[in-house]
Amino acid sequence: AQKVTQAQTEISVVEKEDVTLDCVYETRDTTYYLFWYKQPPSGELVFLIRRNSFDEQNEISGRYSWNFQKSTSSFNFTITASIVVDSAVYFCALATYNQGGKLIFGQGTELSVKP
Amino acid sequence: NAGVTQTPKFRILKIGQSMTLQCTQDMNHNYMYWYRQDPGMGLKLIYYSVGAGITDKGEVPNGYNVSRSTTEDFPLRLELAAPSQTSVYFCASSEGRKNTEAFFGQGTRLTVV
Repeated sequence: AQKVTQAQTEISVVEKEDVTLDCVYETRDTTYYLFWYKQPPSGELVFLIRRNSFDEQNEISGRYSWNFQKSTSSFNFTITASIVVDSAVYFCALATYNQGGKLIFGQGTELSVKP
Repeated sequence: NAGVTQTPKFRILKIGQSMTLQCTQDMNHNYMYWYRQDPGMGLKLIYYSVGAGITDKGEVPNGYNVSRSTTEDFPLRLELAAPSQTSVYFCASSEGRKNTEAFFGQGTRLTVV
């Protein structure tokens, strides 16, 4: 069975703080893909990143960085120097090749960045 | 670049009414999905399709039906609306197994009263 767990339901930080959103996944498939999506208050889903199971390289994009560790089945997301517009719900998701690419979502982490 | 287009954006239904949520994509994607998002929850898969004429159930299919007569369109039908179907519905599409990045529509907020 596939599962994604985002243990942090809500996180509140002050602007300029760094924040890490945790994501733990479960799958027996060897070919799989991990995603992060952002859902701002307006409600749409914004794609942030996709990693495949064969690429454990960490990635940095501006203030965003992602740490993929197969040994702990984790795909954590860090925002450096957070700003108010980072406030949103962030979803981690898993898709596996054998399951036809269907996305399994975690429950989301609501991040609130206060000025 | 339209991407994935959902209509309507908002709808209020009375218990027992029926309606169809429309979804169309212009990226020639084979795979399409319908998800629902309940308050404070992640998205759950209702139905999906891997190509025209092929559909299959997801995690929460009860109370819904779908069809896929063309590559572009994937409508979701609610036959007898119930309060439990109050949710935000998202349609998505992707190329398929190897390129699984899903592109989402803007969502439809449905309230059943």
